[in-house]
This record gives sequence, structure tokens and C-alpha cells, in this order.
Amino acid sequence: AAGVIQSPRHLIKEKRETATLKCYPIPRHDTVYWYQQGPGQDPQFLISFYEKMQSDKGSIPDRFSAQQFSDYHSELNMSSLELGDSALYFCASSLGRYPTDGYTFGSGTRLTVV
Amino acid sequence: GENVEQHPSTLSVQEGDSAVIKCTYSDSASNYFPWYKQELGKGPQLIIDIRSNVGEKKDQRIAVTLNKTAKHFSLHITETQPEDSAVYFCAARPGSARQLTFGSGTQLTVLP
Repeated sequence: AAGVIQSPRHLIKEKRETATLKCYPIPRHDTVYWYQQGPGQDPQFLISFYEKMQSDKGSIPDRFSAQQFSDYHSELNMSSLELGDSALYFCASSLGRYPTDGYTFGSGTRLTVV
Repeated sequence: GENVEQHPSTLSVQEGDSAVIKCTYSDSASNYFPWYKQELGKGPQLIIDIRSNVGEKKDQRIAVTLNKTAKHFSLHITETQPEDSAVYFCAARPGSARQLTFGSGTQLTVLP
């Protein structure tokens, strides 16, 4: 079965650079969630989209923005990168405005800021 | 908002023994409680979940119990195997919310 696809798997950027992470949800899933997981930490919710509109906002820095496109894939744009942005970034998808089940997570993008 | 606490942070058991991980939640409106297993370098994988209208759910060697009154839920793994070694996260979601709130995780090590 198709899963959530994230790209790239690994990304190395320098401080103050920008990065773009991509997420392709499971086919027919219309909701996408972005989470950030620091080393040894639990996943922290950043932002979510339902039907191409932002639905919830968590602890996403102002330097980050995201959007969901007409094909339901989503991109997380990160600018003015800081060392503290180094983390695993996970995307998850679900079906429906108020999902009744758990998400399916992608394998994540490991961002390293040097 | 919801706050989820998870204990213990690390757990080592001998192969074949049982492992129990406990979580408490703060929002009485939470009605969905999934458990995720995360292996190194991979995304969290849903292994079992329970809803607030159920007290216990079992799937082979894995079971989850929920005590709504005390606002806590637990993951039970029986006959543990080395491949059960991973980080386990509990999570909770209020009915009015879309996102999950995660616990801090438990590093389970099953010793052969």
C-alpha cells in the first residue's frame, strides 16, 4: 500500500540558508500534518492543512511557512535557518476534516544545519 | 491544551518478559489514544489505538488499557522479542482537535 512520501530524506544546510521539505500524502488523504522532532524528543506539532487550507497551527516559527497544493502534496519552507532547527521533520496524512483514526507518518526528513 | 506524560523514559526487559508503559493525559475531552513505535531513523508507526468508549483492546502480543476516570492509559507487550526494541510514544487527541499530543517517549530495550 502507498505510504506518505517525504523528500529529501536528508538535507544539510548552512545557517541563514533556506530549505524546502516536501510531503506527498497517501492517495485520497486530504489532510497533512507537519511535526518537528528534536534529538531524543517527542514529535512537536507545527502546522496542518485540510483541503489546501491551513487548519491548525502549532509551534511553528515565523521563519517557517507551509502550504498544501491542489494535488494535496505539501511543502514546508524554512528560511533564515538556525542551528536549533536541526531535527527530524515528519509529515503525516489522514482523511477528513476531523480524522477518527491515527495518522500515517512518512519516514521523515533529517535536516542538519551547520 | 492537552498534556500527556509518559513513564518510564527507558525500560529494559529480558526477552520473553512483559513490558508496560504508562501515560496520563490532562484533557478529559480526549477520546482517542494511539500508540506509536519508532525505530531509529524512521517515522512513528501506529501499532494500536483505543477510543474512550472502550476499556481494553488487544492485538496479538500488544494490548492497551484505558481508565477514563483516572485519565491514564497503558501499553502492555507480552512475550517481548528483540525486534520490539524501539522508542514507543503514546498520544492523545480531544474530540474537537485534529492534531495529536505526544508523550515524551519510552526507549524499550529487549535483552536477548
